[in-house]
Parts: sequence; structure tokens; C-alpha cells
Amino acid sequence: GAVVSQHPSWVICKSGTSVKIECRSLDFQATTMFWYRQFPKQSLMLMATSNEGSKATYEQGVEKDKFLINHASLTLSTLTVTSAHPEDSSFYICSAIQGAENSPLHFGNGTRLTVT
Amino acid sequence: DAKTTQPPSMDCAEGRAANLPCNHSTISGNEYVYWYRQIHSQGPQYIIHGLKNNETNEMASLIITEDRKSSTLILPHATLRDTAVYYCIVKGFGNEKLTFGTGTRLTIIP
Repeated sequence: GAVVSQHPSWVICKSGTSVKIECRSLDFQATTMFWYRQFPKQSLMLMATSNEGSKATYEQGVEKDKFLINHASLTLSTLTVTSAHPEDSSFYICSAIQGAENSPLHFGNGTRLTVT
Repeated sequence: DAKTTQPPSMDCAEGRAANLPCNHSTISGNEYVYWYRQIHSQGPQYIIHGLKNNETNEMASLIITEDRKSSTLILPHATLRDTAVYYCIVKGFGNEKLTFGTGTRLTIIP
């Protein structure tokens, strides 16, 4: 159980275009999902907390107008990278909590974004 | 949430027990210890978590010292597929976010 699916697993886009990444909890409902970013040889950095039915909460230094997050249902959150630039190339990973507080977070397999 | 300290890298022979240490000397009473691992180019995988008692599941054992200032993750019979970066994370009750440190890069040697 507790499967989080992320799509696509990799994407290449041209500079200036937008890319949407989907994160789904397949066998549980997730009122809260999290989006992380990971640059090569670095650890995961939390970008934002996505709450179902309300606005996302962004970490300091993350541009909310550039990284649009929509959590339209209890099983789906999307991250849209708008007007992508080469410096946005990274590994984007979503996660969701199953169940009560202190239940573990379960992670998707990530999306590798390359902006050319 | 309390900060954790882990060795940057470790090696372990295949078939032996891998013991990964973690220091969390500033942990407070309501904070749990979580362990995750990340195999190259994949999302992190949950391994185990605990508050103060030792825990065991099908993947690993977690040993937490009595003062809770440190813990050890034990992979009883390491295989090549256990090669990954292992993250020890302390998370407080009521705080859903996980903050990742730099972890320990564990290499299993044939």
C-alpha cells in the first residue's frame, strides 16, 4: 500500500515553456502533499506544502508565481514550472502522508526536468 | 525540528550487517526519528521510524539510545541493492514536513 505515482518520470522542454508534473496517491487519500527539488549531488530541498482545497505554502526563496501548485482533489497535486529556464533543470519529487500525524511520508519516483 | 549528524559515507561487505549511526543530541520529547533511503535517481523510500523504543520491520531495525540522543539503523544482511544514501530525520509531532540533511552514502561491497 501507500503508493505515490508521479508523471512524467522525465521531461525535456525548451526555455520559456511551461511544464506540468502530476503527483497521485494511488491507494490512499492525501490532504497534504509536499514538493521537493533535488540538484545533482545535493540533498532534497522542500519547495512547498500542497493542501487540498487551499493555497500551497511555499518555503522561503521559492517563487510561488513560477512554481504553481494545484491540489484539486485528495489524490492529485500538480506542480507547473512556468516559463522554465535552464537553471530550473532538476529532479522534482512529490510526497504524501498516509493516515494520521507521524505516519511516514511516501514519495513518488521523481521527475527529471531538463530545460534546453 | 532537531538537527541530525551522520557520517558522509560507509562501506559494508555484502551479507554482513550494516550499522548506520545518527546523532540527534538536541531531540525533544515529542520528536520521532525517521529513516529513509534514496537509491540513485529514485524518490526516497521509507524504512522505519520510532520514538523511544527499538523498532523492527521487514527491512531493518532501529535502535534508539535510552537518552534518545542517538540512534542506529541496522540492515541485518546487506545486499548490493542496499547501496543508497540513507537519511536520518527527526520530526516533531504536529509538523508534517520532512527536512533532509546530507545523509550517509552506504556502499555494499561484493
